[in-house]
Amino acid sequence: GQQLNQSPQSMFIQEGEDVSMNCTSSSIFNTWLWYKQDPGEGPVLLIALYKAGELTSNGRLTAQFGITRKDSFLNISASIPSDVGIYFCAGLEGSNYKLTFGKGTLLTVNP
Amino acid sequence: NAGVTQTPKFQVLKTGQSMTLQCAQDMNHNSMYWYRQDPGMGLRLIYYSASEGTTDKGEVPNGYNVSRLNKREFSLRLESAAPSQTSVYFCATTPTGNQPQHFGDGTRLSIL
Repeated sequence: GQQLNQSPQSMFIQEGEDVSMNCTSSSIFNTWLWYKQDPGEGPVLLIALYKAGELTSNGRLTAQFGITRKDSFLNISASIPSDVGIYFCAGLEGSNYKLTFGKGTLLTVNP
Repeated sequence: NAGVTQTPKFQVLKTGQSMTLQCAQDMNHNSMYWYRQDPGMGLRLIYYSASEGTTDKGEVPNGYNVSRLNKREFSLRLESAAPSQTSVYFCATTPTGNQPQHFGDGTRLSIL
């Protein structure tokens, strides 16, 4: 099946720093999604990307759909303690219903 | 997460017992999904239902069955639980297959 390589696996940063994480795939995706998961909860959608080259922001978060359609990155600027959690990328091929998830990036923010 | 309700939130089973996990949504979405999440593995699709009346296997369907009871409800059944099925199970929904999925808060299942 499809595989997504998400990196880094974990990050430990100071409050106020910027963060960058990315996902790469061996195959092309038509949609890239970024989710955040807080402890004890389900993943919550942060940003959805539908077009190669697309750059989308949501507050302090910015994500891009790679031009090759095989990668995406997520940046968080000026991190705050509530940014702590696990961030997942996910890719969707067409309308085949099956999302492929990366293994997640665990973000820890030191106040 | 508003709109997708999973029950129970926690469950402990003994090996060999059966169990049905329930998922209900009030967003009038057509498609529903069951995932399991294990440490370091991300989320893996067990089964999905593209629309009422249809179900299909995902990446890891062995040991599970599903029922799309109606448009609102999609249940996941473990007929004979095994310790390898200890996991956190998430239900998700979408209006259609090419749109982002919305997740419930999960069921934490331990099998001894």
